[in-house]
Amino acid sequence: EIVMTQSPATLSVSPGERATLSCRASQSLTTNLAWYQQKPGQAPRLLIYGASTRATGIPARFSGSGSGTEFILTISSLQSEDFAVYFCQQFNNWPPTFGPGTKVDIK
Amino acid sequence: QVQLQESGPGLVKPSETLSLTCTVSGDSISSSYWSWIRQPPGKGLEWIGYIYYTGNSNYNPSLKSRVTMSVDTSKNQFSLKLSSVTAADTAVYYCARHVKTYDVVDYWGQGTLVTVSS
Repeated sequence: EIVMTQSPATLSVSPGERATLSCRASQSLTTNLAWYQQKPGQAPRLLIYGASTRATGIPARFSGSGSGTEFILTISSLQSEDFAVYFCQQFNNWPPTFGPGTKVDIK
Repeated sequence: QVQLQESGPGLVKPSETLSLTCTVSGDSISSSYWSWIRQPPGKGLEWIGYIYYTGNSNYNPSLKSRVTMSVDTSKNQFSLKLSSVTAADTAVYYCARHVKTYDVVDYWGQGTLVTVSS
């Protein structure tokens, strides 16, 4: 099973600032990686798949990059609705596995 | 708009079988793959498995011996059974539409908390 790690565990950012979240895999994924956003009491929402393709309806301020074992999710200018937990998920091998999450909170 | 809704008991006794059903609207159960994913309180996400309307399924090896999924095309529903539950199976259980090309989920149910306790 592929182990996913994320850093930092918590990221404190002011509205309007840029947020950079990292995800690392225990083995190469090529670009078989997705990102999800989860707000308290809600189901996750798919943001990015294929490492860099935005899902339907996701604003352009969300972008993904990386390949192999190192991936980045960038939120270019944080809006109030972006404060949430972000999970990465690999789909290179079965079973798909998730990282532990990065919580983005208000500085 | 695709919508999914989980239903089933919120409390299950240890050693018994957890049973959940997901009702799908806005999409035909025969057109996609469907998954179950769970999240213990305050913890990360775990993929339980997926099923196709033909019965083709794939389960997480860590749960495979205890999991059974099924589809009822007449009701546009799919179901999860998890046997011999323990407190470690306490979690919010989500049903979801599974995009097989990428093994990602694009639509989720709201989730239902299942507590395992006597």
